Amino acid sequence: EAGVAQSPRYKIIEKRQSVAFWCNPISGHATLYWYQQILGQGPKLLIQFQNNGVVDDSQLPKDRFSAERLKGVDSTLKIQPAKLEDSAVYLCASSSKTTGTEAFFGQGTRLTVV
Amino acid sequence: SQKIEQNSEALNIQEGKTATLTCNYTNYSPAYLQWYRQDPGRGPVFLLLIRENEKEKRKERLKVTFDTTLKQSLFHITASQPADSATYLCALGGSSNTGKLIFGQGTTLQVKP
Repeated sequence: EAGVAQSPRYKIIEKRQSVAFWCNPISGHATLYWYQQILGQGPKLLIQFQNNGVVDDSQLPKDRFSAERLKGVDSTLKIQPAKLEDSAVYLCASSSKTTGTEAFFGQGTRLTVV
Repeated sequence: SQKIEQNSEALNIQEGKTATLTCNYTNYSPAYLQWYRQDPGRGPVFLLLIRENEKEKRKERLKVTFDTTLKQSLFHITASQPADSATYLCALGGSSNTGKLIFGQGTTLQVKP
């Protein structure tokens, strides 16, 4: 089966610009996660969707970050405006159930804000 | 606040030995715990899941223990190989129905031939 697809793989932007990341989860997976991974750290959960509803977004900086999941399938994560500290890898993951099962990760998008 | 701690220093071992990685947590009651492997430039890959009512889980050369009293999980790789060199992440699954997965910072394992 196809894995989690993310694009772009790399992105370089200037601070205060906006950027968007796209994720296509594994077919049939109802749960979708967006994580931020800063170099040398573990992934930090930004937002979790169950179908097209938000289950948890407690660590999403809502003044600059937004995410949506259209029709319970693809998802986009947007940053506007970007700050230097947003430089990180943004990982998308999906799982077949809400809880108690493995998450499948995409390769991530490496964002550099200069 | 919830905290997950893994060995911050890299673990260097000789090929053929057993590698043991530690995951400690505080202020949390996970329903399950997972271990992932992450190679440079790649997303994490799932290895094992162990539930709160299980003491030990094995898969090939991998073994995971889960002690909810000590709030600790140990991850063992027996007969380690240079190909096992990677960063290993533990993740806690919430006891609620949200399935929120919280990750530790990871431990880098280097297996020398």
